[in-house]
Amino acid sequence: NAGVTQTPKFQVLKTGQSMTLQCAQDMNHNSMYWYRQDPGMGLRLIYYSASEGTTDKGEVPNGYNVSRLNKREFSLRLESAAPSQTSVYFCASSESLAGDTGELFFGEGSRLTVL
Amino acid sequence: AQSVTQLGSHVSVSEGALVLLRCNYSSSVPPYLFWYVQYPNQGLQLLLKYTSAATLVKGINGFEAEFKKSETSFHLTKPSAHMSDAAEYFCAVSGNQFYFGTGTSLTVIP
Repeated sequence: NAGVTQTPKFQVLKTGQSMTLQCAQDMNHNSMYWYRQDPGMGLRLIYYSASEGTTDKGEVPNGYNVSRLNKREFSLRLESAAPSQTSVYFCASSESLAGDTGELFFGEGSRLTVL
Repeated sequence: AQSVTQLGSHVSVSEGALVLLRCNYSSSVPPYLFWYVQYPNQGLQLLLKYTSAATLVKGINGFEAEFKKSETSFHLTKPSAHMSDAAEYFCAVSGNQFYFGTGTSLTVIP
């Protein structure tokens, strides 16, 4: 049982390059999320998808776009990478949107460096 | 708006000593509260969660947390620290979204 799978695990980009982080979950969860983790700042929500076909901005959406491709997959795209986007990115999923007793299940993270 | 505050970004304890990691929440309604643990180079995994069924919640690896409404706290404890407990710990509250604290890094000294 893979849970939440993220690819790639590591990536180095030059400023201005674009890339897409892929995320897939095999738990039949309705809701999916993208977070970034930076030292001393905890996890900050970039975008989330409450259910297939919907996406919404989180706390720090600028510079990112997302696509909920189907119920399993939720991708995060950086159109023009900037050094400030150097971070560790986590994808997560939950049975339903936060507000009930459900928990988040996390992937192992994608470490992105923008030079 | 809901939020959590973790007091102390770094905590060091000796092996076998009590672990106490502090979390205070801000919520206008009874919250759902969580503690997650992150081991180096891994994602977060759930330690325990409070869902109003009982104020003292037991989690994995001997951790437990007590919900105290009067103090708006949900501190995480473990009676005896083990070397394997060294990790980053995050408190979170669930409302329309999950809101995470900034984390506490636990070091266990042999």
